[in-house]
Amino acid sequence: SQTIHQWPATLVQPVGSPLSLECTVEGTSNPNLYWYRQAAGRGLQLLFYSVGIGQISSEVPQNLSASRPQDRQFILSSKKLLLSDSGFYLCAYRPNYGYTFGSGTRLTVV
Amino acid sequence: AQKVTQAQTEISVVEKEDVTLDCVYETRDTTYYLFWYKQPPSGELVFLIRRNSFDEQNEISGRYSWNFQKSTSSFNFTITASQVVDSAVYFCALNILTGGGNKLTFGTGTQLKVEL
Repeated sequence: SQTIHQWPATLVQPVGSPLSLECTVEGTSNPNLYWYRQAAGRGLQLLFYSVGIGQISSEVPQNLSASRPQDRQFILSSKKLLLSDSGFYLCAYRPNYGYTFGSGTRLTVV
Repeated sequence: AQKVTQAQTEISVVEKEDVTLDCVYETRDTTYYLFWYKQPPSGELVFLIRRNSFDEQNEISGRYSWNFQKSTSSFNFTITASQVVDSAVYFCALNILTGGGNKLTFGTGTQLKVEL
């Protein structure tokens, strides 16, 4: 069966520190992968999506970057976090019937 | 450009009442998909339904029903006989196929509170 794993669940990081969030998918190959951010407990904003290894599309200019080093691995990174990077980050992939989301990472930048 | 509007920021109802969550979308594409997701306090997004642009048939699943009307670009969601467990944020979303792949655009969500 297909599953999506995302970690860590929560993270508290100081301003200026680096960030690495990882997402992996099992049970499927060559999935479309996505990173979303939910700020202020409401709307979901698409940050990055990838249709294949090394292929990253950025939706909004920001302090973050994404990479896809393997077919089923999607990483969200930052070299120096800002307070405004705080939020709930969700990874997703797209099986046939729709989008499946990971359990999310709640990031607090202090 | 694609856009999804959920004008109702928050709705409060008493248990057993029916409630309808509105969703209006904008797209120039003729082929697209519409989704509804539920986000309980735990934060996970739970898939509820997918509807493609060529299928305007309404759907019912238990206490949930969806009304898709292309003429008004709306995809409304009704919960019949609401329960406290229905309390959550509900998102409507629009999927289009771009040159770079599929993209899902969300509305801002409707917070539903069901009280005893």
